Amino acid sequence: SQKIEQNSEALNIQEGKTATLTCNYTNYSPAYLQWYRQDPGRGPVFLLLIRENEKEKRKERLKVTFDTTLKQSLFHITASQPADSATYLCAFPWRFGAGTRLTVKP
Amino acid sequence: GAVVSQHPSWVICKSGTSVKIECRSLDFQATTMFWYRQFPKQSLMLMATSNEGSKATYEQGVEKDKFLINHASLTLSTLTVTSAHPEDSSFYICSARVSGREPKKDSYNEQFFGPGTRLTVL
Repeated sequence: SQKIEQNSEALNIQEGKTATLTCNYTNYSPAYLQWYRQDPGRGPVFLLLIRENEKEKRKERLKVTFDTTLKQSLFHITASQPADSATYLCAFPWRFGAGTRLTVKP
Repeated sequence: GAVVSQHPSWVICKSGTSVKIECRSLDFQATTMFWYRQFPKQSLMLMATSNEGSKATYEQGVEKDKFLINHASLTLSTLTVTSAHPEDSSFYICSARVSGREPKKDSYNEQFFGPGTRLTVL
């Protein structure tokens, strides 16, 4: 069956550092992959979409990579801030990984 | 733009009763809406995909007779949990895709999520 896995349940980093979150998938070849942010008790908010023919995509302090050989996507937040603390979900249509809870400490 | 609302935001009901949750796209038309369920500290699990004017497509393991979905218009989908039991207690979230966007653009596949409905069955 198709699986989408986010390796780390939680990640704690210091403000100003780069956070790197990992998403792996099996038994599937998605045409694209999405990343969302979810705050407690709220619905997810779309951040970025990367297609299978794109190696990298950036949006402000966010960067996503997509390696179809490794079946992996990496999500980076540079110059992290406490306000970036949230759960980040990767998804391919329309299934979500379990999420990584990021905490950025001042 | 692209706001999705859900009503109610939370509901407490007795076991055996039915609960209806509404999902509305406030400023856009949504041909397709999705219903998810999320248990504490777990990810969203897709329950069903609903297309306006047709029957919903349910994911494997989701009882269609228990979770009734109606997508009566381009701006409204409802989920009715029939004969609710305590194990149905969860956070139910809907999402919608904007109709008419160009398929080649990233925004075509963007889902806009509602704020969720917390259901507690006693």
